[in-house]
Amino acid sequence: QKEVEQNSGPLSVPEGAIASLNCTYSDRGSQSFFWYRQYSGKSPELIMSIYSNGDKEDGRFTAQLNKASQYVSLLIRDSQPSDSATYLCAVKPVPSNTGNQFYFGTGTSLTVIP
Amino acid sequence: NAGVMQNPRHLVRRRGQEARLRCSPMKGHSHVYWYRQLPEEGLKFMVYLQKENIIDESGMPKERFSAEFPKEGPSILRIQQVVRGDSAAYFCASSPRIGQGAMNTEAFFGQGTRLTVV
Repeated sequence: QKEVEQNSGPLSVPEGAIASLNCTYSDRGSQSFFWYRQYSGKSPELIMSIYSNGDKEDGRFTAQLNKASQYVSLLIRDSQPSDSATYLCAVKPVPSNTGNQFYFGTGTSLTVIP
Repeated sequence: NAGVMQNPRHLVRRRGQEARLRCSPMKGHSHVYWYRQLPEEGLKFMVYLQKENIIDESGMPKERFSAEFPKEGPSILRIQQVVRGDSAAYFCASSPRIGQGAMNTEAFFGQGTRLTVV
């Protein structure tokens, strides 16, 4: 069973602070990692993908990957109230004949306090 | 360039009726995934399909649920004899066709179908 673990939160940060969201995964063969944002009552929206160890920055978002530790994180700088949402970590192992599956964590609820 | 299209957005069924949920993937995408989400819970994988092929249905309940992705037309998730516990949001996602060993693929979600069983 391939597992993706996230702290369910809720995580509260003041406006302007850095929000740090963490995710661990059990399948050491995982190759692709994704962060989705889901507002209440809406569908998940892809915000970041990362495939190599290290950091990947996109605007106020930075994804960090450490395959040795089986750990991926998302940093949100200068957090805004509009960032308040549930953040889902998704992991994809190497494709095989049995699938090209995405495994999702249960999500971390983030609240940015004005 | 339309994204993943799901319909209907909202579906109300009485207990015992059938529910049919449709998903048209993004243009150029041939992989479709169905997920179920209960209120305040995470996404639960149900089934993964390619055109005319079910690749992984390990998340599908053994009874009443079925899925298909025909050569022409949308993917269909079918729930027979619905019960109150089937009430949930059902999301479809699609990703591009890839070859073995390819890594850089992303999945995009449709807006979901909210099923309510009364």
